[in-house]
This record gives sequence, structure tokens and C-alpha cells, in this order.
Amino acid sequence: EVQLVQSGTEVKKPGESLKISCEASGYSFTTFYIGWVRQMPGKGLDWIGIMYPGHSDIIYSPSFQGQVTMSADKSTRTAYLQWSSLKTSDTAMYYCARRGSDTRGFDIWGRGTMVTVSS
Amino acid sequence: DIQLTQSPSFLSASVGDRVTITCRASQGINTYLAWYQQKPGGAPRLLIYAASILQSGVPSRFSGSGSGTDFTFTITSLQPEDFATYYCQRLNTYPWAFGQGTKVEVK
Repeated sequence: EVQLVQSGTEVKKPGESLKISCEASGYSFTTFYIGWVRQMPGKGLDWIGIMYPGHSDIIYSPSFQGQVTMSADKSTRTAYLQWSSLKTSDTAMYYCARRGSDTRGFDIWGRGTMVTVSS
Repeated sequence: DIQLTQSPSFLSASVGDRVTITCRASQGINTYLAWYQQKPGGAPRLLIYAASILQSGVPSRFSGSGSGTDFTFTITSLQPEDFATYYCQRLNTYPWAFGQGTKVEVK
């Protein structure tokens, strides 16, 4: 079964760092792009960026450039999204999703990681 | 960046109703558009891509049409499990922006 399994809920304080994960299984990890999407409480979907694990090609939305860092570990088939200094405004659900073949959009989604940043 | 505008933002409907949602792009995007469904507490689910192609496993009551700047998403006969929020997303160039969403509620 093709799936993306995300790490669990996080509760952090402003200024702390964080790295959340997304482990892929059931398909060739290095031949599909993986993206990240933010959903703030009660709000819509925000496209953070996308990366190609096969050669670490990474594209950020201008809105998130410099705010987060995407990476991947081919040996563990895991994608990561990290922050060096969290803000309360980073409180949101974060989804990883696989970009499907052709012009399919995101065809496989993780269940999301809830990140709460509060003092 | 090319913006997407969905309408309406909220829609009240009954089981069996035909539901139509529109998504307008600020510039032409050919047919590089997808539609997703998101239920409360769940991740989005891809329903339609390339504006009109049904993703595998998606019921045929869902359909999409359009090209260029104007797109339509239709549910021909609303089922109880279809009450959810629907998003369009453009796929022509990065960033792949989403529309603001349309919440389909029980009338």
C-alpha cells in the first residue's frame, strides 16, 4: 500500500526548533516529488513547497522561503520539514503529500502533524 | 503569482441536490487544475486532476470541466458523505496555489 506516515503532535514554545517527518512506503521514494501543505486552524490550504528526493531539488513558496527548510533522507525514505525558531503563527496542521505522475497534483497525503506553538 | 478564486465560499444543499462550484484563475492555466475534498479532521483527498480527469476510485457523481481561466466542479447527486470542504489547486507553475475553499453544508 502506498502511504505517507507523519510524525506525531508537537507542542513547542516560541523560539524553539522543530523537525517533523514524513515516511514514505509502497512506492519508489526517489522518483516522486513530495510537498508540504500548511493548514492553520479553521483556515484553508497553503502550499509550502515541494522537493524531489532523487536529487534534492527543492522549491519553496515565496511566502515560506527562509521560514522553513525541507529535506529528505533517501536511506530511510523520509522527508522532513523543519524550523529553526518557531513563532506562535506557525501553529497549524502540516501535511506532506506526494506529487502524482503527469499533472495529477497531490495524489497521496499523510494524515498531518499538528504543531502548536505557545508560551 | 496566479490567484485562484473559488465561489461560493459556503453552500447549503440537501442529499440528492446537484452542486456546482466554480474556480477562476487570474491568468490562463490551460487545464492544470485539480480538485480536492477535505472532511473535518481529515487530510485532503484528490478527486479530479487535469481539470476533468477522475482520480482512480472516485465516484462518477463527481466531475470537473473547464480550461484557461474558468473551471467548474460538479456533484450530480449529493450524498451524505459528500458534505465537506472542496478546494481547487492550480498545477501549472510553482507555487501550486489553492483556492480558498468551498464548504458544502447540510441545508
